[in-house]
Amino acid sequence: EPEVTQTPSHQVTQMGQEVILRCVPISNHLYFYWYRQILGQKVEFLVSFYNNEISEKSEIFDDQFSVERPDGSNFTLKIRSTKLEDSAMYFCASSERNYGYTFGSGTRLTVV
Amino acid sequence: KNEVEQSPQNLTAQEGEFITINCSYSVGISALHWLQQHPGGGIVSLFMLSSGKKKHGRLIATINIQEKHSSLHITASHPRDSAVYICAVRSGGTDKLIFGTGTRLQVFP
Repeated sequence: EPEVTQTPSHQVTQMGQEVILRCVPISNHLYFYWYRQILGQKVEFLVSFYNNEISEKSEIFDDQFSVERPDGSNFTLKIRSTKLEDSAMYFCASSERNYGYTFGSGTRLTVV
Repeated sequence: KNEVEQSPQNLTAQEGEFITINCSYSVGISALHWLQQHPGGGIVSLFMLSSGKKKHGRLIATINIQEKHSSLHITASHPRDSAVYICAVRSGGTDKLIFGTGTRLQVFP
């Protein structure tokens, strides 16, 4: 069964450093998403991406965040200057518009 | 106020019991999703519903659009069903999912 692949599975970074979280969505999907889950809290929407541009973003997705689909297969989330409160599990997902989502297994980001 | 509410928050059961998890939402939706999250953190999609009922193995999901309510049922529960079950809705006109806080299910042998 097709999978969404996320790397790395766990990343530890120092506050103020830039991180890039990587995702390979399912190849024939057109819609891509990033969500995050702070420990003990519910999953929150960050951003959706379609046709090579952001289609929707949440209040969380401020100027410190950016997304890119650099080569037609990878989908990345960049956090420019990490803060302690960015520590969370970050999930990538992809979908065809009228079908269910497929989620990756997540990247656990720890900012120290 | 949360747009998606789940109950109960925690649920324990003996193996073989019939399980029901409830989800209520307050926004107009185009679809409702039931998801499963295991202790390792990964999220697996179980169902996407816009009306009626769906069944997959021992899992059954129903939705009542008029009442803005959905239920997930597990028949003949098994310890491997132990996980967090999450209800999420796609609000009409957007692509994003709005998540509930999840129901932690533990099934004991």
